[in-house]
Amino acid sequence: DAGITQSPRHKVTETGTPVTLRCHQTENHRYMYWYRQDPGHGLRLIHYSYGVKDTDKGEVSDGYSVSRSKTEDFLLTLESATSSQTSVYFCAISDSIAKNIQYFGAGTRLSVL
Amino acid sequence: AQTVTQSQPEMSVQEAETVTLSCTYDTSESDYYLFWYKQPPSRQMILVIRQEAYKQQNATENRFSVNFQKAAKSFSLKISDSQLGDAAMYFCAYTTSGTYKYIFGTGTRLKVLA
Repeated sequence: DAGITQSPRHKVTETGTPVTLRCHQTENHRYMYWYRQDPGHGLRLIHYSYGVKDTDKGEVSDGYSVSRSKTEDFLLTLESATSSQTSVYFCAISDSIAKNIQYFGAGTRLSVL
Repeated sequence: AQTVTQSQPEMSVQEAETVTLSCTYDTSESDYYLFWYKQPPSRQMILVIRQEAYKQQNATENRFSVNFQKAAKSFSLKISDSQLGDAAMYFCAYTTSGTYKYIFGTGTRLKVLA
């Protein structure tokens, strides 16, 4: 299994509070991704990173920001959480575009009350 | 825009029988990749099988095989000799060569009956 750790695994928070989810990898892979999973939508890309300090927006980026200061860590921040951001969040990594295989972390279940 | 459609929200199969999950996609690209991921109740996303569009031969991985029909833009997953451990959500995914982004279908929940 790819060495990907997401923390926390579960979190309950209140509307309006900031939340940061962490993805840590031990594979030294260049590319990292954040997805959210909602019923009826599958997984949708929030943001991705193609190197340290190199990030870009995905399909559903509004309300989210990311940072990557080290190869191994990719942080997802909800500046002011809303109930619509209640979801399961997955981090993924890949070592090259050519292989196009993404490996996923175990997910974080976030509830915004 | 590229899309991935899984039209079967739920399927059931008897243990030891064969089941086929459907996936269609829409793209104007010629070079792309297709995947099936399994998500058991543990929530972990597990890669089941991968198909390169330029390969005519259908990919197989043990009991899992695909029927890739490029002209029809169809990519179905066949599970043979179904086992209780196959019960899970199955997601079809697409990506083009040289890009970072996966597009997922909405998933098919597979139930395996003992």
